[in-house]
Amino acid sequence: SQQGEEDPQALSIQEGENATMNCSYKTSINNLQWYRQNSGRGLVHLILIRSNEREKHSGRLRVTLDTSKKSSSLLITASRAADTASYFCATHAGGTSYGKLTFGQGTILTVHP
Amino acid sequence: DGGITQSPKYLFRKEGQNVTLSCEQNLNHDAMYWYRQDPGQGLRLIYYSQIVNDFQKGDIAEGYSVSREKKESFPLTVTSAQKNPTAFYLCASSPWLKGAYEQYFGPGTRLTVT
Repeated sequence: SQQGEEDPQALSIQEGENATMNCSYKTSINNLQWYRQNSGRGLVHLILIRSNEREKHSGRLRVTLDTSKKSSSLLITASRAADTASYFCATHAGGTSYGKLTFGQGTILTVHP
Repeated sequence: DGGITQSPKYLFRKEGQNVTLSCEQNLNHDAMYWYRQDPGQGLRLIYYSQIVNDFQKGDIAEGYSVSREKKESFPLTVTSAQKNPTAFYLCASSPWLKGAYEQYFGPGTRLTVT
C-alpha cells in the first residue's frame, strides 16, 4: 500500500525560485526520508528526518516534519535546472517493519533555465 | 568503486518465459530489497532480505521469486505467473536494518515482456 501521498504531482518553476513539495502519511512512523530520481535512473537518498525531529537542513534542502498532522515538506531553495527530477518521500514505520520503506507516488519537478 | 550494480539495463522477453534480474552490491550491506516502479508511480516492494539465506515477501510478491545465497547478491526472477511483468525494477541495499538507515539504489533494469 502507498502510505505517502505527495502534493503537488507536478511542479514547474524558474531557475532561482524555491520549490516546495509536501508529503502526507497515514500511520505512525520512525523516520521519513526524501529521495530524488532522475529520469530512468535509480533513486538517490537526500535526507532523513526522525520522528522526534521537526526540521532538518542539508545544503539547499530543508525538510520539516509535523507528526501531529502526519505530514512533511521538502523545500529546495534557489533551484537550478539540474534539480529537475522526481522527488519521493518514504516512511519507515519502525518496530517489526525492519528496514521496509513505503514510498509515495512522487512529485515531478521541472526547473526552467 | 562501491555501489550497487544491476544488469542488464534493458531486458526483453516473450510472454511465458521466466527471466532473472541481477543485483550485486559491494557496500557490505546486510539488507537488500527489490522494488517495482510503473510509469508515474512510486516504488512498490517485491521482496526484501535481512541476512543471507533469509528473505521476506513485500507488498507485491506474487509471480516473483528471489534467493540470497551470498551477502553481495540478491537476484530476482520474474516468473511466467506474473501477470503484468513489464516495469522498471530497482534493487536497493541498506547498511543496518533495525537502524533504518537510508537505502542505496542501483540504476535499475527496464523489463519489457511482449
